[in-house]
Amino acid sequence: GAGVSQTPSNKVTEKGKYVELRCDPISGHTALYWYRQSLGQGPEFLIYFQGTGAADDSGLPNDRFFAVRPEGSVSTLKIQRTERGDSAVYLCASSPLGGINTGELFFGEGSRLTVL
Amino acid sequence: QKEVEQNSGPLSVPEGAIASLNCTYSDRGSQSFFWYRQYSGKSPELIMFIYSNGDKEDGRFTAQLNKASQYVSLLIRDSQPSDSATYLCAVSRMDSSYKLIFGSGTRLLVRP
Repeated sequence: GAGVSQTPSNKVTEKGKYVELRCDPISGHTALYWYRQSLGQGPEFLIYFQGTGAADDSGLPNDRFFAVRPEGSVSTLKIQRTERGDSAVYLCASSPLGGINTGELFFGEGSRLTVL
Repeated sequence: QKEVEQNSGPLSVPEGAIASLNCTYSDRGSQSFFWYRQYSGKSPELIMFIYSNGDKEDGRFTAQLNKASQYVSLLIRDSQPSDSATYLCAVSRMDSSYKLIFGSGTRLLVRP
């Protein structure tokens, strides 16, 4: 596809359940990012991948959150034992290697997670 | 203190006026500065970036940076109703240029 694709667009789950959010970046983009945006706030950095490896996961809130990018393209954000406070829009973004310094992240439309 | 501060607004201006959006940041190690626009229910999109003190113009948009005052602004000339959105200021540090720290955004309303 032409842009960053995220699925599902909406996910409603119950407290304590496990969820996976998927991101398919723009073809050829080596850098992939996950951000989280709560209502009325700006996006908050979670994790950055360069290729297959997580170059910086310092933004993951706790060990319930984990992300993978096994083949250097599609990424999955995994949340275990979800809590109501995890409710937010999870944004995935990608950039070509050279795009990092210009700050041009190409964002997907996000996955809205609601934990009841 | 938040790393990046913005007035939440809404900032309301009439069509054709100049809209002035402001942002302050606390980390003097910040190197690069960005303005993103986010329409309601949509994802952020980059409008401009600026690295050096002074002004940078792109069409109707001008970004202004003052590192001594730790202040960055965005001016939108000839504001249009289609400019109504939330404007997010973001910064990055030299040692982690890939990581954008966003403010909470300023909501702009352009009245027809």
